[in-house]
Amino acid sequence: DAGVIQSPRHEVTEMGQEVTLRCKPISGHNSLFWYRQTMMRGLELLIYFNNNVPIDDSGMPEDRFSAKMPNASFSTLKIQPSEPRDSAVYFCASSRSLGYSPLHFGNGTRLTVT
Amino acid sequence: QKEVEQNSGPLSVPEGAIASLNCTYSDRGSQSFFWYRQYSGKSPELIMSIYSNGDIEDGRFTAQLNKASQYVSLLIRDSQPSDSATYLCAVPANTNAGKSTFGDGTTLTVKP
Repeated sequence: DAGVIQSPRHEVTEMGQEVTLRCKPISGHNSLFWYRQTMMRGLELLIYFNNNVPIDDSGMPEDRFSAKMPNASFSTLKIQPSEPRDSAVYFCASSRSLGYSPLHFGNGTRLTVT
Repeated sequence: QKEVEQNSGPLSVPEGAIASLNCTYSDRGSQSFFWYRQYSGKSPELIMSIYSNGDIEDGRFTAQLNKASQYVSLLIRDSQPSDSATYLCAVPANTNAGKSTFGDGTTLTVKP
């Protein structure tokens, strides 16, 4: 069974540019999560979806961040415009159900904004 | 108080020793608890789940949960250099089950 697939693995962009991160969850998993990891703040939940519906986006830092899940097999996280402080590793994770099932993480996207 | 706190590291143990990693949480209603291992430059991977008080053993790993004390721990027996990684404790919120809070992690180094 393929794991969570994220793309791209690395993204380097200039401040002000739009960045789109992509995620394909594990088939059959109903919940999808976007996390951001930095040395300073650790692993932070940005937003999560259940059955393709956004449930909690309270972790999204600003209006510059948006996430969509148009179907059960695809999600995007968009940053527009990007800023240097957005540089981090962004992980997508999926799980069978909320709370009681563990998270399965993708390999992450390392974003660098110059 | 942080929602999930882990013992500050780094933790260094000799090969073959027992490594003990600790985690406390503030949400008294939390029902499930997870330990993830993260190698440098890699993504977190699940190593243990625990849902009720007591111990769960899986190979060299033992997870212990004490809900009264709001404490969960991970023991690694016969530590190997390949166990050197950062270990993350994760606790889903009771009233918002999708919202897992991760501790800051404890970095373990096992010296040959």
